[in-house]
Amino acid sequence: ETGVTQTPRHLVMGMTNKKSLKCEQHLGHNAMYWYKQSAKKPLELMFVYNFKEQTENNSVPSRFSPECPNSSHLFLHLHTLQPEDSALYLCASSQGRLQGAKNIQYFGAGTRLSVL
Amino acid sequence: AQKVTQAQTEISVVEKEDVTLDCVYETRDTTYYLFWYKQPPSGELVFLIRRNSFDEQNEISGRYSWNFQKSTSSFNFTITASQVVDSAVYFCALSEAGNAGNMLTFGGGTRLMVKP
Repeated sequence: ETGVTQTPRHLVMGMTNKKSLKCEQHLGHNAMYWYKQSAKKPLELMFVYNFKEQTENNSVPSRFSPECPNSSHLFLHLHTLQPEDSALYLCASSQGRLQGAKNIQYFGAGTRLSVL
Repeated sequence: AQKVTQAQTEISVVEKEDVTLDCVYETRDTTYYLFWYKQPPSGELVFLIRRNSFDEQNEISGRYSWNFQKSTSSFNFTITASQVVDSAVYFCALSEAGNAGNMLTFGGGTRLMVKP
C-alpha cells in the first residue's frame, strides 16, 4: 500500500465514450502526476500539478483532460480516445517543488485502459 | 538533455542466483538524484532507493545493493540470492536539480524473471 489509490483498476471503453480516471493520495503531498505506460515503451510523463496548478503538459492530445481540484485528488477525463491510447495509466504524488530534485514519487497501481 | 539507459530489456535467472541490473545515465547537471523502482505484476511502481550525485558510497539493504560510479555514469543494482518474488520490472530514473525539480526521467526498464 503506497498511499496512492487509483480507480478504476480496469476500464474498457469505446472510442465515442467519455470516462474519467481518479487518483487520490493520502500522503499529504503537494504534487501529483499522470504517466502513461504502453507495452514496450518507456514511462511517459503526461501532466504535473503542483499545489493544484498544472506545471507540466508534455504535449498530450486534448482528448486527455486533467483536473486537480485539490492537492489530494487528481482526475484524468477521457473522451473520443483512439485504440493506441490503450495503456496503463499511472498516478503518482510527491512532496513537490519545495523538495526539488530529491522528490520521491509514490505511485498508485494504475488503471489499465482498453479502447475498442 | 538527460537520459537513462537500461540496456538489458529482460533477464532470466534461477532462484538463488545473483543478478545485476545495469543503469547508465546522461546529465549535464552536477547536482542530480538517481532512483530505482520495482514494478511487480500488480502494476504500482515501488520506490527502492534514492541516491544523490555527491554520495558515491555503495549501499546495501538486505539482499539488495547499489553501486554508484560517477566516473562511468552508472548506478547498478544487484540482487543477491534472488527469489521468485523478485520477479518484476525494474526502473532506473534520474532527477536533475536544473529542471523543474520534481520530474523524473525513466529508463526503459529491465524485466527480471526468477525461476524456481
